[in-house]
Amino acid sequence: DAKTTQPTSMDCAEGRAANLPCNHSTISGNEYVYWYRQIHSQGPQYIIHGLKNNETNEMASLIITEDRKSSTLILPHATLRDTAVYYCIVRGGGADGLTFGKGTHLIIQP
Amino acid sequence: DTAVSQTPKYLVTQMGNDKSIKCEQNLGHDTMYWYKQDSKKFLKIMFSYNNKELIINETVPNRFSPKSPDKAHLNLHINSLELGDSAVYFCASSQDGGGRGYTFGSGTRLTVV
Repeated sequence: DAKTTQPTSMDCAEGRAANLPCNHSTISGNEYVYWYRQIHSQGPQYIIHGLKNNETNEMASLIITEDRKSSTLILPHATLRDTAVYYCIVRGGGADGLTFGKGTHLIIQP
Repeated sequence: DTAVSQTPKYLVTQMGNDKSIKCEQNLGHDTMYWYKQDSKKFLKIMFSYNNKELIINETVPNRFSPKSPDKAHLNLHINSLELGDSAVYFCASSQDGGGRGYTFGSGTRLTVV
C-alpha cells in the first residue's frame, strides 16, 4: 500500500469547514483513498473513500486531485464532536487489513 | 444491535496469566481482524481471518492466538501475559476485502500489572 503524509495536527473553528490534506504521491492505479477517524477512546470509524472521482456522503466530501497524488477531506460544518484523529489510508484490494499512519489530530475550537 | 461487539471492555490482570477477549459481528462480513493500539496510539494489525483461515500474522508473538469458531466470531487468546501487552485491542470486520469499509468494535483496554 502506498505511503501517505498528513499534518500532525490542525485547528478549526466550530461551524466552519475543516479541510484535511493528505499526500499520497506513490499511489498506484488500483489503489483507493480511504479516510477514517478515531474519536478519543473509541474504535476507528469509516468516513469515506474514493478512487479518482470526488465523493460526498452524509459525513464528508473527498476531493482527489486529477493526478491522484493528493486528496482533501472536507467536513462542511465542523462541530465539537468532530474533534478526533483523522487517518488517510491508501490501499488496493485484498483482505490484508488497513495500515494506519499517525494521522492528523483535528481540534475543533468553540 | 451493535455491529461489532467486544467483551470485556476493560481487563486488568497479572503478569503470567492467560486471558481471552471475545469479538462478535452481526454484519454478515466475511473477514474479521484484531488490531493493537499501544500507549503511543499507533494502530497495528495483528491478525485477520477469512472463512476460518488465518490470512495475516504480523510478527505477533505466538503467545497470541486468534480462534474463530464461526464466521461471526473471532476471539483473541493471550498466554503468559507480559507488561508490554498492555494496550487497547480492537476487533474489526469487513466484506469483500474491505472495499466498502471496515467496521471496528469499541475496544478492550488490557492492563497487565
